[in-house]
Amino acid sequence: QKEVEQDPGPLSVPEGAIVSLNCTYSNSAFQYFMWYRQYSRKGPELLMYTYSSGNKEDGRFTAQVDKSSKYISLFIRDSQPSDSATYLCAMKKTSYDKVIFGPGTSLSVIP
Amino acid sequence: GAGVSQSPSNKVTEKGKDVELRCDPISGHTALYWYRQSLGQGLEFLIYFQGNSAPDKSGLPSDRFSAERTGGSVSTLTIQRTQQEDSAVYLCASSLAADTGELFFGEGSRLTVL
Repeated sequence: QKEVEQDPGPLSVPEGAIVSLNCTYSNSAFQYFMWYRQYSRKGPELLMYTYSSGNKEDGRFTAQVDKSSKYISLFIRDSQPSDSATYLCAMKKTSYDKVIFGPGTSLSVIP
Repeated sequence: GAGVSQSPSNKVTEKGKDVELRCDPISGHTALYWYRQSLGQGLEFLIYFQGNSAPDKSGLPSDRFSAERTGGSVSTLTIQRTQQEDSAVYLCASSLAADTGELFFGEGSRLTVL
């Protein structure tokens, strides 16, 4: 079993839809959680960074962490074609630990 | 430039040859990571340097892989006796301090082993 799992998709939604992206993980020691976005042939870029359980909102993006279920989510409201990319969850155990990435979910937002 | 710079951007080599991939992190960034991304796959952790601490090499897939970081700045990833399964994009990232989640990635070095 991999440490971090994601549904690889591809996920295709119409413009304006609400998108839900999810990750599960197996190691309860993870405390820091991130979502990265990666466009084709580019390096990933950070979208959201959260510590422990709870919600965090930034514009159209909301990150949720449920440590009791070992489950994290990223919601995208009013999705746009420019949101079409691969979304990678990432996490680490301590502030100075290495960052482990999930396999990514490919998202297409259709105009 | 102000970003993470990687070279070469593309490398085609023959099976059995050695290759070196270079990463220039953002100036002042103390943490440096190498990841590998195969076609359609996520990021596979390889190695992590943090300041003057011993590097975390737990992700290196075999003893053919090694990396060093000189002067706390530039890093080189070396793959000896390359195999076809080594074909992938090798991504380098740096961060200002390891206690943030923000890694700044380069655009990667695409390695093809024939």
